[in-house]
Amino acid sequence: QQKVQQSPESLSVPEGGMASLNCTSSDRNFQYFWWYRQHSGEGPKALMSIFSDGDKKEGRFTAHLNKASLHVSLHIRDSQPSDSALYFCAASESQGGRALIFGTGTTVSVSP
Amino acid sequence: ETAVFQTPNYHVTQVGNEVSFNCKQTLGHDTMYWYKQDSKKLLKIMFSYNNKQLIVNETVPRRFSPQSSDKAHLNLRIKSVEPEDSAVYLCASSLGQGDNERLFFGHGTKLSVL
Repeated sequence: QQKVQQSPESLSVPEGGMASLNCTSSDRNFQYFWWYRQHSGEGPKALMSIFSDGDKKEGRFTAHLNKASLHVSLHIRDSQPSDSALYFCAASESQGGRALIFGTGTTVSVSP
Repeated sequence: ETAVFQTPNYHVTQVGNEVSFNCKQTLGHDTMYWYKQDSKKLLKIMFSYNNKQLIVNETVPRRFSPQSSDKAHLNLRIKSVEPEDSAVYLCASSLGQGDNERLFFGHGTKLSVL
């Protein structure tokens, strides 16, 4: 069982629409969360981090964290075809030296 | 732009052979990692390496071994590959070893075991 679960598994969004991705962890030791994006044939690239409860906005991307419910979400406003990719939620524990644990991934397809 | 370089891009081999993959980062980072991405795109940590301290994921079979000559290089050797080793192997680096570190990934090495 993956410690970090994502939903939905895949998502289709029209260009200009809003994409909403969800992530839930089963380990209360996870304190730091990231969203990564992976285009086909490339390695994942960090989009943004969120370490405190509440919302964090960076451009068209907004992340939300609720540590009490171990839930993180990512919302992509005004989706573009270039946003089509595999999105990962990643989490790390509050102990030094532990590598990031990645979620199961959500494939986003943005159609023109 | 890429600052974590992996070679080769692809490798096809037969069961039982030994393979080695190279990774170099030009970011001046202190910590490097190997992740395995399987056919379902799941990413699993295999090793992290910082200041000559190796942290191994306990689920990694013993035929896998990381090799580091300095903090900019972390190679991966697989002795006697198995069919289940077919995957994309991703190298990454981070500035330090903190919990909130951003990882920078290479493009990956795709291994196919026949």
